[in-house]
Amino acid sequence: DTEVTQTPKHLVMGMTNKKSLKCEQHMGHRAMYWYKQKAKKPPELMFVYSYEKLSINESVPSRFSPECPNSSLLNLHLHALQPEDSALYLCASSQSGYRGGLLTGGELFFGEGSRLTVL
Amino acid sequence: AQKVTQAQTEISVVEKEDVTLDCVYETRDTTYYLFWYKQPPSGELVFLIRRNSFDEQNEISGRYSWNFQKSTSSFNFTITASQVVDSAVYFCALSEWRESEHDRNQGGSEKLVFGKGTKLTVNP
Repeated sequence: DTEVTQTPKHLVMGMTNKKSLKCEQHMGHRAMYWYKQKAKKPPELMFVYSYEKLSINESVPSRFSPECPNSSLLNLHLHALQPEDSALYLCASSQSGYRGGLLTGGELFFGEGSRLTVL
Repeated sequence: AQKVTQAQTEISVVEKEDVTLDCVYETRDTTYYLFWYKQPPSGELVFLIRRNSFDEQNEISGRYSWNFQKSTSSFNFTITASQVVDSAVYFCALSEWRESEHDRNQGGSEKLVFGKGTKLTVNP
């Protein structure tokens, strides 16, 4: 069983809805990630949180709003999405890198994903 | 910029055949990590192996083996005596260090750059 838990597994929403995706890990990891994966494509990074602070935003539209309430939880708030936003959203966690650029090479542990359909 | 190339889009083999998945990478970093992940139809990405740039030893884990050759910037993955359960999409990935965009005092994070994946189908 994966140690990164994502809910819901499936979500269907209209373009005017507001919904949230949730992710939880209890491995003590201090880096958490949101990836988006379209069919037959590799995962694409959206956001990285390191020590509960936003570290990287890969120019993601503001209709996606991440939140990291504590070191174990990561949310992705969705509002006014478009049909092209339909995809598998993957959460991951890893040991965080250290200041000064020391690359730890910690592997990412992924959840099973939330499959989002926007009508 | 970092780049990972998996030239094989799809491979189909018959059970018990050996199969090699190719991965070629580009990076200017002297320290980097390479990964292989497996993605079965269920969707979860399963970590298989990590290799750092200073360790060129090949590794074997059961039916899986990896050949890392820095001279050719390749990190190939071989499955021996393939099984139907090996059917999945396999991604090769390269780690990239990124400074925090929002707080210079925070340090940074590692980002994985994925290849496009190779879909492996093992037929009975």
